[in-house]
Amino acid sequence: DTGVSQDPRHKITKRGQNVTFRCDPISEHNRLYWYRQTLGQGPEFLTYFQNEAQLEKSRLLSDRFSAERPKGSFSTLEIQRTEQGDSAMYLCASRQGTTVNSPLHFGNGTRLTVT
Amino acid sequence: AQSVSQHNHHVILSEAASLELGCNYSYGGTVNLFWYVQYPGQHLQLLLKYFSGDPLVKGIKGFEAEFIKSKFSFNLRKPSVQWSDTAEYFCAVTGGYQKVTFGTGTKLQVIP
Repeated sequence: DTGVSQDPRHKITKRGQNVTFRCDPISEHNRLYWYRQTLGQGPEFLTYFQNEAQLEKSRLLSDRFSAERPKGSFSTLEIQRTEQGDSAMYLCASRQGTTVNSPLHFGNGTRLTVT
Repeated sequence: AQSVSQHNHHVILSEAASLELGCNYSYGGTVNLFWYVQYPGQHLQLLLKYFSGDPLVKGIKGFEAEFIKSKFSFNLRKPSVQWSDTAEYFCAVTGGYQKVTFGTGTKLQVIP
């Protein structure tokens, strides 16, 4: 399967701990996106990359969140000093950047529970 | 700023009934519009997309959507739903290579 993969699938952590999630996009996709989804809501944009450059970051994203894509391939999303409000499904998606109407391809997500 | 509104949060239909899910968007330029579906336990998948040309676009599994520029709408339709269409449906908009903005979703429950 050459789709978008995310690791881990589930993460349970205590409030105040740091967590890091990984996303491996489809190999030929140069654009990578992170979204957060909570129950009853649609995916909420967090940030996106073109190759290794982070081009946009949501204003809703606090300074505790940071994302990297150091070599333009996989990406990591780190949440520092987690809070219960961070509990959500974190989705990664990638798309081919050479076609303006190319759709996003999503991974299965990482479900974060902060206790 | 771009935004998407989906007014139907939960729809319940019997099999063979017709479906129409509303989607209205806000964006100042040329838009690309998408409908995604999330079946229970699965990841988001593309149903169909509109970029330009014929405003009536056809997607997978018999779904279609009509882009009406004057109404800023991109409603999803299916003439006859099946139990297997039970899922959550998301409308999304992008102005190009930038972020893709999603609506809050509509949960469709099809009763056999």
